[in-house]
Amino acid sequence: AQSVTQLDSQVPVFEEAPVELRCNYSSSVSVYLFWYVQYPNQGLQLLLKYLSGSTLVESINGFEAEFNKSQTSFHLRKPSVHISDTAEYFCAVSEKGGSEKLVFGKGTKLTVNP
Amino acid sequence: DVKVTQSSRYLVKRTGEKVFLECVQDMDHENMFWYRQDPGLGLRLIYFSYDVKMKEKGDIPEGYSVSREKKERFSLILESASTNQTSMYLCASRNIYEQYFGPGTRLTVT
Repeated sequence: AQSVTQLDSQVPVFEEAPVELRCNYSSSVSVYLFWYVQYPNQGLQLLLKYLSGSTLVESINGFEAEFNKSQTSFHLRKPSVHISDTAEYFCAVSEKGGSEKLVFGKGTKLTVNP
Repeated sequence: DVKVTQSSRYLVKRTGEKVFLECVQDMDHENMFWYRQDPGLGLRLIYFSYDVKMKEKGDIPEGYSVSREKKERFSLILESASTNQTSMYLCASRNIYEQYFGPGTRLTVT
């Protein structure tokens, strides 16, 4: 069975500062990895995903994440955050070729202050 | 554009009531999911369905049941609502890799 650990429950940063949201996973098989974002009072939206190939994946709004197999990590980064990035971010994992289920971390609440 | 809709954004029910939460997707996806979301606990899977009339228990199925009579609709049923079922409920449907989420139903049981 897989598990996901998001190491920080809350991350406060100032606008235009860089940010890293950490995610580690545990699995005995190969996995797909995802970051979802939830803005206040909304459902979850997919931010980016790693399926195969290049270990660095990017989103359209400037976030990126790098799959590190040896460290079983998939940390999310952005070099310069905006107020509008304030949201909760969830890391998730599913088995390659396995069940359809996603296993989520407990979430990291990112607050961007002016 | 992909769309998952949930019947209510906010719902208030009394203890012991039978509660139906409806979810509809327009993407012809076979897989659908119900989660509950609680602060500090993230999303936990209640039930999922991989085809019409097929269902499987997730991690926390106790106190819940589901129904999938048509491909586009997946219902979550609380047979006798209790206060510990006060939560945000999220429905999702899935294509090959990605899950698409509805806006959520915030259920309060008093």
